Amino acid sequence: NAGVTQTPKFQVLKTGQSMTLQCAQDMNHEYMSWYRQDPGMGLRLIHYSVGAGITDQGEVPNGYNVSRSTTEDFPLRLLSAAPSQTSVYFCASSRTGQQPQHFGDGTRLSIL
Amino acid sequence: GEDVEQSLFLSVREGDSSVINCTYTDSSSTYLYWYKQEPGAGLQLLTYIFSNMDMKQDQRLTVLLNKKDKHLSLRIADTQTGDSAIYFCASHRTDSWGKLQFGAGTQVVVTP
Repeated sequence: NAGVTQTPKFQVLKTGQSMTLQCAQDMNHEYMSWYRQDPGMGLRLIHYSVGAGITDQGEVPNGYNVSRSTTEDFPLRLLSAAPSQTSVYFCASSRTGQQPQHFGDGTRLSIL
Repeated sequence: GEDVEQSLFLSVREGDSSVINCTYTDSSSTYLYWYKQEPGAGLQLLTYIFSNMDMKQDQRLTVLLNKKDKHLSLRIADTQTGDSAIYFCASHRTDSWGKLQFGAGTQVVVTP
């Protein structure tokens, strides 16, 4: 009963490095999204996808890329890490955009 | 724009009822959600309410929606120490295809 799986759970990067945060779901959900959580700010939407091959920007997309080549996977790429991207990143999925979203356990990312 | 606001902190004695309040600005919000986040964990969907309802009850949880005042509340009866967590209110509109708008979260501390 995996649900939404995020890897890695923790990561430390140096400024300028790139990396990919992985997200996979086994519920055959069409809708997937990435959020970042910062203290006192709730969760903010970075990018989302309504199905394989379709992605769009959320509220805070700068510095991040996504792709959706399969229904199951929705990786988030940091192109050139900056200290402002230190955050907790959550991936979520739902059967459709109008169904409740299920969240992964998050990736805690620190940029030095 | 769309805003969701919550009080930041609530302290409650074990066995008492907790009431967590949320206000939202977008009158087109159609689904309103309550999520729970325990330390170091992801977001767990607690309950949700559709905008054509004014109350929903699920075991110890009662959600009240006042559409006129754009006010949502979550009541937890017989609060337990395991209810200590951050609670997020979130809303979305049917035309925004799953773009959840989150409040900053309410930290609930349950004292013996």
